[in-house]
Amino acid sequence: EAGVTQSPTHLIKTRGQQATLRCSPISGHTSVYWYQQALGLGLQFLLWYDEGEERNRGNFPPRFSGRQFPNYSSELNVNALELEDSALYLCASSLATGPNTGELFFGEGSRLTVL
Amino acid sequence: AQKVTQAQTEISVVEKEDVTLDCVYETRDTTYYLFWYKQPPSGELVFLIRRNSFDEQNEISGRYSWNFQKSTSSFNFTITASQVVDSAVYFCALSEAIAQGGSEKLVFGKGTKLTVNP
Repeated sequence: EAGVTQSPTHLIKTRGQQATLRCSPISGHTSVYWYQQALGLGLQFLLWYDEGEERNRGNFPPRFSGRQFPNYSSELNVNALELEDSALYLCASSLATGPNTGELFFGEGSRLTVL
Repeated sequence: AQKVTQAQTEISVVEKEDVTLDCVYETRDTTYYLFWYKQPPSGELVFLIRRNSFDEQNEISGRYSWNFQKSTSSFNFTITASQVVDSAVYFCALSEAIAQGGSEKLVFGKGTKLTVNP
């Protein structure tokens, strides 16, 4: 069974541009989470989507947005890129039915570099 | 606010040594979950264990063991007889427990980079 897949693996952009990152959850998982892992800042929760809706959002500006498609895949968009947006963006999925379990399955991440 | 502190930024040991990774957490919730994840060089986070706040029983899984002490708000992770393949960054995390369809919003510590040398 395929795990969580993310694309692209690496992305290089310049300041002010937009970046789009994609994530396909494990088959059967309806929830998708995005985390940012920036150097020195650890893993920060970005967004949670479930059944096509944004359920929760971390402490990030509105230029970080995303969506979840009917097939439960997800897209993270970062507008007006800034140098400090350079990070590894990790996507995770879970079943998210009933009480939360915390067992998130993570992809290998997309490394975004902003020049 | 929830917070997870992993005071050890980097640890280096020689193969077969035992090593303990410390994790201290803060939360006002009475019900919560604690986790450990492993991040090998490939980047993906690998789930290791979940423990809920009502279960203080220590757990052992092969060479891995976890010591949860609510009195000191600690959830330490010990690797016995470490191996080179254990080299990775290890993250401790905390989430609040929500009864139904809750967010898996995890608060992570900053991680401890473990290097096991041959």
